[in-house]
Amino acid sequence: GNSVTQMEGPVTLSEEAFLTINCTYTATGYPSLFWYVQYPGEGLQLLLKATKADDKGSNKGFEATYRKETTSFHLEKGSVQVSDSAVYFCALGYSSASKIIFGSGTRLSIRP
Amino acid sequence: DAGVIQSPRHEVTEMGQEVTLRCKPISGHNSLFWYRQTMMRGLELLIYFNNNVPIDDSGMPEDRFSAKMPNASFSTLKIQPSEPRDSAVYFCASTEQRNQPQHFGDGTRLSIL
Repeated sequence: GNSVTQMEGPVTLSEEAFLTINCTYTATGYPSLFWYVQYPGEGLQLLLKATKADDKGSNKGFEATYRKETTSFHLEKGSVQVSDSAVYFCALGYSSASKIIFGSGTRLSIRP
Repeated sequence: DAGVIQSPRHEVTEMGQEVTLRCKPISGHNSLFWYRQTMMRGLELLIYFNNNVPIDDSGMPEDRFSAKMPNASFSTLKIQPSEPRDSAVYFCASTEQRNQPQHFGDGTRLSIL
């Protein structure tokens, strides 16, 4: 069946460090892929998305490329800020159903 | 544009009481989802609706939980009777079509004493 596996947390980095959060998926057909972010006390917000192979989603300095050959959608940012501290969820959507499959979430903490 | 609106934002009640959580999806969205989030179990899908019809309620933990969507602009999640282990943050989300992102409300933080 369809599933999403993402990097275990928590991840702690210093400000201005390079960030990678790994995400791999298993799916039939051609799913859409998403990264969501959840700040403390808030709901999940869409961070970026990609709808087909080799698409790159980007937003707020974050990027992720839909890699069909490696079934991956890793989240990257070149220089993190304290304000990026949050929980990040990788997710998969597919055309045969409305629901989205979420990964378990990765908690990111950035030290000043 | 108004986002997904949930009420109340916080609810504290005693074990055994009935709890009703409310959600107003984004206008024009035809799918609505109820999630529960806890530290132990993470984010769990409880139930979702397409065009006001329940499609998958396999995530509803027990018969104490029920959800309704009487029209396209309103849904409720009810717990009766409530138990301390129901304490969690409950999120509602909506989407306009398949394979599209879901939009989440700010959640209801529920504490059962």
